[in-house]
Amino acid sequence: NAGVTQTPKFRVLKTGQSMTLLCAQDMNHEYMYWYRQDPGMGLRLIHYSVGEGTTAKGEVPDGYNVSRLKKQNFLLGLESAAPSQTSVYFCASRESGRYSYEQYFGPGTRLTVT
Amino acid sequence: GNSVTQMEGPVTLSEEAFLTINCTYTATGYPSLFWYVQYPGEGLQLLLKATKADDKGSNKGFEATYRKETTSFHLEKGSVQVSDSAVYFCALSDFGNEKLTFGTGTRLTIIP
Repeated sequence: NAGVTQTPKFRVLKTGQSMTLLCAQDMNHEYMYWYRQDPGMGLRLIHYSVGEGTTAKGEVPDGYNVSRLKKQNFLLGLESAAPSQTSVYFCASRESGRYSYEQYFGPGTRLTVT
Repeated sequence: GNSVTQMEGPVTLSEEAFLTINCTYTATGYPSLFWYVQYPGEGLQLLLKATKADDKGSNKGFEATYRKETTSFHLEKGSVQVSDSAVYFCALSDFGNEKLTFGTGTRLTIIP
């Protein structure tokens, strides 16, 4: 049982390049989330999904796209990377249900855009 | 909208000292409140939670009480250890617990 895994762990991009971050969970969770973590700003929600085939915008969705084609995977795409997207990206998942509180986090992806 | 304000760090304490990290919130309705911890190089882990007013969450010697009258959820521990060094995040959930709103995090360092 690996929990939540993220690929890659580190990446350096040049401005304008594109990439996809992969999040996978093996807990059969319905809900999945993408956050970015920046110094002094905590974690901010980018996009989330409440089930396979669904996505919704979070607090800071601009410049990102997501897809949830399979229940266990949640992909975050950057079509044209900008230096402002330099950050640490975390994926999380949780069970559905009003009283399922805990979000389980992956180890993070550190992205640098030059 | 919802927001969480927590004390800025970094906080440095000696081993066995008493710890308080302040957290206050603004929310519509009756949110659930959480403390998450991030150890170096890792993702966040749930430390404790409280789902209604006057509830006390506790785990690993840490405690926090949901105070509706002061809209606070301060984290406390009576005697910290070096292994408690981490970043601590206060968070609240929206109605239906669909999304979390996080504070900015407080970095705690415990020195032997």
